[in-house]
Amino acid sequence: GDSVTQTEGLVTLTEGLPVMLNCTYQTIYSNPFLFWYVQHLNESPRLLLKSFTDNKRTEHQGFHATLHKSSSSFHLQKSSAQLSDSALYYCALSNYNVLYFGSGTKLTVEP
Amino acid sequence: ETAVFQTPNYHVTQVGNEVSFNCKQTLGHDTMYWYKQDSKKLLKIMFSYNNKQLIVNETVPRRFSPQSSDKAHLNLRIKSVEPEDSAVYLCASSRDWGGAAETLYFGSGTRLTVL
Repeated sequence: GDSVTQTEGLVTLTEGLPVMLNCTYQTIYSNPFLFWYVQHLNESPRLLLKSFTDNKRTEHQGFHATLHKSSSSFHLQKSSAQLSDSALYYCALSNYNVLYFGSGTKLTVEP
Repeated sequence: ETAVFQTPNYHVTQVGNEVSFNCKQTLGHDTMYWYKQDSKKLLKIMFSYNNKQLIVNETVPRRFSPQSSDKAHLNLRIKSVEPEDSAVYLCASSRDWGGAAETLYFGSGTRLTVL
């Protein structure tokens, strides 16, 4: 079945360093839609960015991700982490019916 | 700006009781969902409704039953709660169903604690 894997449960960074959160997926669909949702403390998840185009970089709020169908990956990156980026990040896959979420990566950015 | 409203915010109850959660969206969306977020922050789909019709029913115990009176409302009833039901229940909506690129808009959640 469809699944999403986020290998890091916890990532701790120093402010100013680059961010990379890993996401790989499995699906039978040849044209999957991939998403990153962010959940700040005591808030609900909200969309950060999404993509369905192979090898095209998608950007939003300083974050970017590129869907690579060849490697079934959709890693989230940012060039310079900010304290306000501390949150729980979910990678998600749409199978045209529902959205399946990965287990989440908690990002903590320290001064 | 909140557009998916959930009540109550918190609910504490004892094993075996019945509970009901309400959700309303004012976005004019056709599709609504219930997700469960457990203590490890795993976020799993439970149900999906499109225009009052049940579309998706994941492997969920029978004591869970969704109810939709119209496309703007989706409630969740749990008959005879068990300790493993303790979680945050998140309601969400999207503009359409079957559109893979649809964005989900989440409510603030209902935190259930079963003693």
